[in-house]
Amino acid sequence: EAGVAQSPRYKIIEKRQSVAFWCNPISGHATLYWYQQILGQGPKLLIQFQNNGVVDDSQLPKDRFSAERLKGVDSTLKIQPAKLEDSAVYLCASSRQVFGGYTFGSGTRLTVV
Amino acid sequence: KNEVEQSPQNLTAQEGEFITINCSYSVGISALHWLQQHPGGGIVSLFMLSSGKKKHGRLIATINIQEKHSSLHITASHPRDSAVYICAVGGGSEKLVFGKGMKLTVNP
Repeated sequence: EAGVAQSPRYKIIEKRQSVAFWCNPISGHATLYWYQQILGQGPKLLIQFQNNGVVDDSQLPKDRFSAERLKGVDSTLKIQPAKLEDSAVYLCASSRQVFGGYTFGSGTRLTVV
Repeated sequence: KNEVEQSPQNLTAQEGEFITINCSYSVGISALHWLQQHPGGGIVSLFMLSSGKKKHGRLIATINIQEKHSSLHITASHPRDSAVYICAVGGGSEKLVFGKGMKLTVNP
């Protein structure tokens, strides 16, 4: 099966600019996750979708981050405006609704200068 | 205290050595995952375990549910095994809780 697709692969922006990331999960995977991984740390969950509904966004900085999953398939994560501390790898992952493994995308490396 | 602890944090080995990476967790879990992350960010899922032992090529993963402990073993290590190895717990519709990862460097 095809993997989780993410784009862009790399992005460099200036602080206060806006940026958007895109994720296409594996077909049939109802659960989609966005993780933020700062250099040297483990990934931190930003938001979890079940189909097109939000299950957990408790660690999403909602004043600047937003995410949507229209039609329960693709998802976009947006940062507006970006701060220097947002520099990280943003990982998308998907899994089956019932007990199953995760598949991760290759990530988007964001550098805010 | 983190819910998922990995040890060691860093490891340097010589090619051919047998390597063991440990993971302890403090929460009840449905599954434990071993993930591999190469420089550049992408994560590859190596194993998902809920009990016992799994083997794939030179990699072996074990889990002891009673002791809340898992190990990842790499036999006949190779420089291409150099990566960060992450232990995470959770599964399916549950969010993953990640350890901080262990950076492995295998020298030729």
